[in-house]
Amino acid sequence: EAQVTQNPRYLITVTGKKLTVTCSQNMNHEYMSWYRQDPGLGLRQIYYSMNVEVTDKGDVPEGYKVSRKEKRNFPLILESPSPNQTSLYFCASSLSTGTYEQYFGPGTRLTVT
Amino acid sequence: RKEVEQDPGPFNVPEGATVAFNCTYSNSASQSFFWYRQDCRKEPKLLMSVYSSGNEDGRFTAQLNRASQYISLLIRDSKLSDSATYLCVVNRGFQKLVFGTGTRLLVSP
Repeated sequence: EAQVTQNPRYLITVTGKKLTVTCSQNMNHEYMSWYRQDPGLGLRQIYYSMNVEVTDKGDVPEGYKVSRKEKRNFPLILESPSPNQTSLYFCASSLSTGTYEQYFGPGTRLTVT
Repeated sequence: RKEVEQDPGPFNVPEGATVAFNCTYSNSASQSFFWYRQDCRKEPKLLMSVYSSGNEDGRFTAQLNRASQYISLLIRDSKLSDSATYLCVVNRGFQKLVFGTGTRLLVSP
């Protein structure tokens, strides 16, 4: 089954404790992206990657890191989480961003206390 | 001003009604356009792409007006299962997708 998986699905953590949210896709997609969704603000792009070892900042990259060592994986790293990073996070992949459909993972609900 | 703007709703309609949503975008260089559907706090899923000539998929019709910089979504014969949030999405180029905050639709029996 073609899918994007994210782990964990739910996470409660404390300020400053480094965490990683994994994202994996099995569709051989080149393009992957991370978004956060907050009430009233919609989905905002954090980082994206056009291929292995090619990543770039989205609209809200501060406080996040990513890596793309393999085509299928695109982890999101919070080196020192803060309460303003409490959000719903989605990973997505697509063949390209032209007219190609974005496939989203199920989301990770993160709470930073 | 937000780059992509939508009326948040909710739009409350009875089953069988026709409902339309609009979305405006501010970047005239935007290249492609989409409507996504999102059920409560679940992942967004592509509903349809929006082409300059307009396109239809069953009960759903999407239109693009580049001159006025808006796109629309028309849903005919609404079903209970159409209740969701509809996200307007614009590809502004440089691999950047911009999402609207969504329009919530509630279809009642």
